[in-house]
Amino acid sequence: GENVEQHPSTLSVQEGDSAVIKCTYSDSASNYFPWYKQELGKRPQLIIDIRSNVGEKKDQRIAVTLNKTAKHFSLHITETQPEDSAVYFCAGVTGYALNFGKGTSLLVTP
Amino acid sequence: KAGVTQTPRYLIKTRGQQVTLSCSPISGHRSVSWYQQTPGQGLQFLFEYFSETQRNKGNFPGRFSGRQFSNSRSEMNVSTLELGDSALYLCASSEGTSGYRSTDTQYFGPGTRLTVL
Repeated sequence: GENVEQHPSTLSVQEGDSAVIKCTYSDSASNYFPWYKQELGKRPQLIIDIRSNVGEKKDQRIAVTLNKTAKHFSLHITETQPEDSAVYFCAGVTGYALNFGKGTSLLVTP
Repeated sequence: KAGVTQTPRYLIKTRGQQVTLSCSPISGHRSVSWYQQTPGQGLQFLFEYFSETQRNKGNFPGRFSGRQFSNSRSEMNVSTLELGDSALYLCASSEGTSGYRSTDTQYFGPGTRLTVL
């Protein structure tokens, strides 16, 4: 099945700086890569996703890039704000299952 | 539309007991997936149901089982509880129609926090 590795496990940035989280996957046939944000005590919420037929997708301050050759994808958050502080999970798909990375705890300090 | 709901939100059980958790998907969604979230192992896939059929199963012992009803609501059951089963159990629903290697967006419920003493 799909194996997804995520780095770093923790990330601390100053408000206004950019944050980058990277994930690698093992199954070259994978074609869908969502990113979820989970605030403390809350449910994971989809923030952006990318399908394998595109290399980049952007939604306001959030962007995701996909390199199918290298089998890695990244989340980019620009102009970070304190409310961006949360745990972020990347995922790949095996069958009907999401295989999640271990998560990145992002802290944005004012 | 109302979001995914899960009941109960919190449960405390003792070792050896069994537990049943319930999930109601977003209206119109026919796929329900279950995940276990722990600090050590992160989010791990348990199983997925579509139209009352299990299509995918994760690497968990047979003590973990589930089912789906004709209205797409789903339940999961854990028998002979162990201390290590303490976790947040999340269900997620999706339309479920994009086929194998699903590209459907999965929407999560708030979870059931299970504590095994």
